[in-house]
Amino acid sequence: ETGVTQSPTHLIKTRGQQVTLRCSSQSGHNTVSWYQQALGQGPQFIFQYYREEENGRGNFPPRFSGLQFPNYSSELNVNALELDDSALYLCASSFGTANYGYTFGSGTRLTVV
Amino acid sequence: AQSVTQLDSQVPVFEEAPVELRCNYSSSVSVYLFWYVQYPNQGLQLLLKYLSGSTLVKGINGFEAEFNKSQTSFHLRKPSVHISDTAEYFCAVTLSLEYGNKLVFGAGTILRVKS
Repeated sequence: ETGVTQSPTHLIKTRGQQVTLRCSSQSGHNTVSWYQQALGQGPQFIFQYYREEENGRGNFPPRFSGLQFPNYSSELNVNALELDDSALYLCASSFGTANYGYTFGSGTRLTVV
Repeated sequence: AQSVTQLDSQVPVFEEAPVELRCNYSSSVSVYLFWYVQYPNQGLQLLLKYLSGSTLVKGINGFEAEFNKSQTSFHLRKPSVHISDTAEYFCAVTLSLEYGNKLVFGAGTILRVKS
């Protein structure tokens, strides 16, 4: 079975720009969660999608948005990038009850300059 | 709201020595607890989880953890570490296993195994 794949692996953007990060869920998984991991910190929950609907959101502003597609792949969009958005963005998928233990991707390292 | 404190930011240890990585959580209700490992330039891998039942949980790679409700702790242990165990370890907690409930992570502990 394939794992969770994220693209791109690295990205450099300028403050004020917009970015889209992509995630392909593990085969058979229908729930996707996104986490932000700033340097030297633990991951922080951004939001979760189940059956194409947002199903939970952390303490992130509306300029962080997402989509889940019928094939359960997902996108994270960030508008009006700020320097503090520089982080590793992790996608995690699961089937059924989300918190029995996600399968995480390797992440996208976003640098905002 | 729940929170997780990992008491050591870095733990250096010699190969084949035992190690304990400490984790304390704060919650007024029952929780579910996890340990994840992150190798350089990789995502998180689940080591073990406590959902219910026996308080001693065994995971992959020879790791185990003990849930102590009275001390609100979930310390990770390994009796003999290898160089390949060098990584960052994260303790995480959630209040619910249902959809939409987030994992709250600690800041991580870097385990450095020396030869």
